[in-house]
Amino acid sequence: DIVMTQSPDSLAVSLGERATINCKSSQSVLYSSNNKNYLAWYQQKPGQPPKLLIYWASTRESGVPDRFSGSGSGTDFTLTISSLQAEDVAVYSCQQYYNTPYTFGQGTKLEIK
Amino acid sequence: QVQLRESGPGLVKPSETLSLTCTVSGDSVSSTSYYWSWIRQPPGKGLEWIGNIYYSGSTNYNPSLKSPVTISVDASKNQFSLTVHSVTAADTAVYYCARDGHTYGHWFDSWGQGTLVTVSS
Repeated sequence: DIVMTQSPDSLAVSLGERATINCKSSQSVLYSSNNKNYLAWYQQKPGQPPKLLIYWASTRESGVPDRFSGSGSGTDFTLTISSLQAEDVAVYSCQQYYNTPYTFGQGTKLEIK
Repeated sequence: QVQLRESGPGLVKPSETLSLTCTVSGDSVSSTSYYWSWIRQPPGKGLEWIGNIYYSGSTNYNPSLKSPVTISVDASKNQFSLTVHSVTAADTAVYYCARDGHTYGHWFDSWGQGTLVTVSS
């Protein structure tokens, strides 16, 4: 199985400041034939299901604010929130879909400082 | 807009069988564009993919699961189902059903609200 490891486990950022969450996979999730990274990011607020934010490591899902961006390739990826809003308080998780079983990171809890 | 809704018992005894159903609206489980997945989240923990099914009945399962699982589809009711056999306390979790991309990639773009299943005598 591909193990997904996120850092940090929790993060406190001031409103309007940048938040950065990292995700590392135990093997590359870059598919050489199409040069795509098989990685997605999700946001989960308390009592709610996860919400898809980003797929192909950097493509925003329709309706997701442009303050959310994804970057990285191979085994190292980053989710960045450029200017933290109060409604961004949530747990963020990465997921690889390079092969089965699809696996998720343990989650990073983002709070307001 | 696709919507998914899980249904099933909230409490199951150890060693018994857990059965959940996901009812889909706004899309068809017979779509050739998507798989349909089950994902669970133990209390306070991360997400774990259980498995998925395609309209043809083709399935994929997570071999890391300790309890045997079966996923099936009923196109006539636009539903798909999860069965977990011989459950233990480790199967206590919120269970989600989700739409799982096929043509493009296996991210999960639509989720049910989730249902908490507790395994306890």
